[in-house]
Amino acid sequence: NAGVTQTPKFQVLKTGQSMTLQCAQDMNHEYMSWYRQDPGMGLRLIHYSVGAGITDQGEVPNGYNVSRSTTEDFPLRLLSAAPSQTSVYFCASSYAGYGYTFGSGTRLTVV
Amino acid sequence: AQTVTQSQPEMSVQEAETVTLSCTYDTSESNYYLFWYKQPPSRQMILVIRQEAYKQQNATENRFSVNFQKAAKSFSLKISDSQLGDTAMYFCAFMKPYSNSGYALNFGKGTSLLVTP
Repeated sequence: NAGVTQTPKFQVLKTGQSMTLQCAQDMNHEYMSWYRQDPGMGLRLIHYSVGAGITDQGEVPNGYNVSRSTTEDFPLRLLSAAPSQTSVYFCASSYAGYGYTFGSGTRLTVV
Repeated sequence: AQTVTQSQPEMSVQEAETVTLSCTYDTSESNYYLFWYKQPPSRQMILVIRQEAYKQQNATENRFSVNFQKAAKSFSLKISDSQLGDTAMYFCAFMKPYSNSGYALNFGKGTSLLVTP
């Protein structure tokens, strides 16, 4: 049982490049979310999904897209990377109100 | 979005002592969940303890316990017999069920806890 798997663990992008952060869970959880963590800001919600085919925006969605074609996968796409998107990104999944299980995070640097 | 406030950016405690981390939240809901997550230097987010708002009994997990005061909207974490491995950032989080946000978490900004020998 792998839990929540995020790839890559580290990434450096140039301004304007696009990329996809991968997230997969094997716990058959309905709810999945993406967060970004910046110093002194805690974790802020980017996008979330309540099931396959259903996604919505969180607190800081600008510059990011998501899709949920299967229960297991919830990729996060950066459309045109900007230095303000330098952050640590966490994917997480949950069964109802039992609390989220987090992936190990992706440290992204945009230069 | 619900507001979660952790008023102590940094705290320090000696090994084997007890420490309490504070958290307050703002909501008009009556049914919700509260969590404490631990983030050690490894960066992994680890669920420490969970509290359901409709339960009056405070949650306990080994050395970790909470003081949940629903009327005061307060949710503090007590760590007993502190250990060096408890050194981490601790985040308080709020979750509102049956909402459009699909059980998404709202986090406080965290409290950095240092356990010293």
